[in-house]
Amino acid sequence: RKEVEQDPGPFNVPEGATVAFNCTYSNSASQSFFWYRQDCRKEPKLLMSVYSSGNEDGRFTAQLNRASQYISLLIRDSKLSDSATYLCVVRGPGSASKIIFGSGTRLSIRP
Amino acid sequence: NAGVTQTPKFRVLKTGQSMTLLCAQDMNHEYMYWYRQDPGMGLRLIHYSVGEGTTAKGEVPDGYNVSRLKKQNFLLGLESAAPSQTSVYFCASTPNPRQPQHFGDGTRLSIL
Repeated sequence: RKEVEQDPGPFNVPEGATVAFNCTYSNSASQSFFWYRQDCRKEPKLLMSVYSSGNEDGRFTAQLNRASQYISLLIRDSKLSDSATYLCVVRGPGSASKIIFGSGTRLSIRP
Repeated sequence: NAGVTQTPKFRVLKTGQSMTLLCAQDMNHEYMYWYRQDPGMGLRLIHYSVGEGTTAKGEVPDGYNVSRLKKQNFLLGLESAAPSQTSVYFCASTPNPRQPQHFGDGTRLSIL
């Protein structure tokens, strides 16, 4: 089993739709969680950190479910500009802990 | 505000040649990382550094060496390039592992 797993997609949804995807992690002691966005042939950019109580940033909502060991990203009222690959990032326990990137979920928003 | 800068942005090498990729950050970050990204594989950690003068192996270190002689610079070396090292290389930095990483805009390397 991979340490961090994502559905590669692609998710193809119409503009204005709500879309959600999950990321599962194998180490129950993982401590930090992030969602990054990566556009084609560009560097990953931080979208949002994921906090235990869940958090929202505009149209984006991130949730953490420790019991089932997954994080989720919900995008409401999707825009054409949301088309990208979304990377899940998980940090393990300890000060010298590993940071694992998922392979990403491709999202394509159609007009 | 430069952030993380990688040079060069593109390079084509012949098998067996050597080269060094430079990563520079102006945010006084302690931690720096080198990743490679191949289609469908996600980011894989090559080497990382937790401070000036320190380096450590990541997931795929073979064929690469690194140095962190100055806090702001993290160098990635290929001593004898192989076609399997054709990839996009990203450098990242962070003040500590609990914080998100800041990425450079990548180096596209082709080995013929």
